[in-house]
Amino acid sequence: EDKVVQSPLSLVVHEGDTVTLNCSYEVTNFRSLLWYKQEKKAPTFLFMLTSSGIEKKSGRLSSILDKKELSSILNITATQTGDSAIYLCAVPSGNTPLVFGKGTRLSVIA
Amino acid sequence: NAGVTQTPKFQVLKTGQSMTLQCAQDMNHEYMSWYRQDPGMGLRLIHYSVGAGITDQGEVPNGYNVSRSTTEDFPLRLLSAAPSQTSVYFCASSLGSNSPLHFGNGTRLTVT
Repeated sequence: EDKVVQSPLSLVVHEGDTVTLNCSYEVTNFRSLLWYKQEKKAPTFLFMLTSSGIEKKSGRLSSILDKKELSSILNITATQTGDSAIYLCAVPSGNTPLVFGKGTRLSVIA
Repeated sequence: NAGVTQTPKFQVLKTGQSMTLQCAQDMNHEYMSWYRQDPGMGLRLIHYSVGAGITDQGEVPNGYNVSRSTTEDFPLRLLSAAPSQTSVYFCASSLGSNSPLHFGNGTRLTVT
């Protein structure tokens, strides 16, 4: 059974800190790994990593895929209170939609 | 540009009642899916569809029914509500199985 494991499950940091969120996966036929941010409502798409695109960056957020270690990290530098959210990692599994990890709840305090 | 629209936003049911959560998308996506989200559990797949007339079960299908008569609509039916179905339900759509999901804003369901 394909699965995704995220760590830590929750994290509290101060504004300005740098954080690293982890995602490991077990999937039969790897195609991609996706990161989402969820604030109060629906998850919003951040990054999609594939074998041909193992690094993505957008502003203070960046993500790297390590296919050898079957894992990915999401880095957030100079955190702000607006970064407080649940961060979700997911992989496609066969013909089904995405399989999600349980998420990391990030709290950034002023 | 509506994207994925879910109704209602909130619903309270008594045990044993039935209801339908509505989901519609205007992006001409073939793939549609329903997830439930419970505290500490992430998003778990209930049912999904890869095109009109085709549906399949996800990880937690029991107690739910779906149909896909058109590309745009993918309603989720609760046959006989139970307190264990208290959750936030998200509908999502995508171009394909290896494409980012676009989510609706969710339905918060409470079963008493």
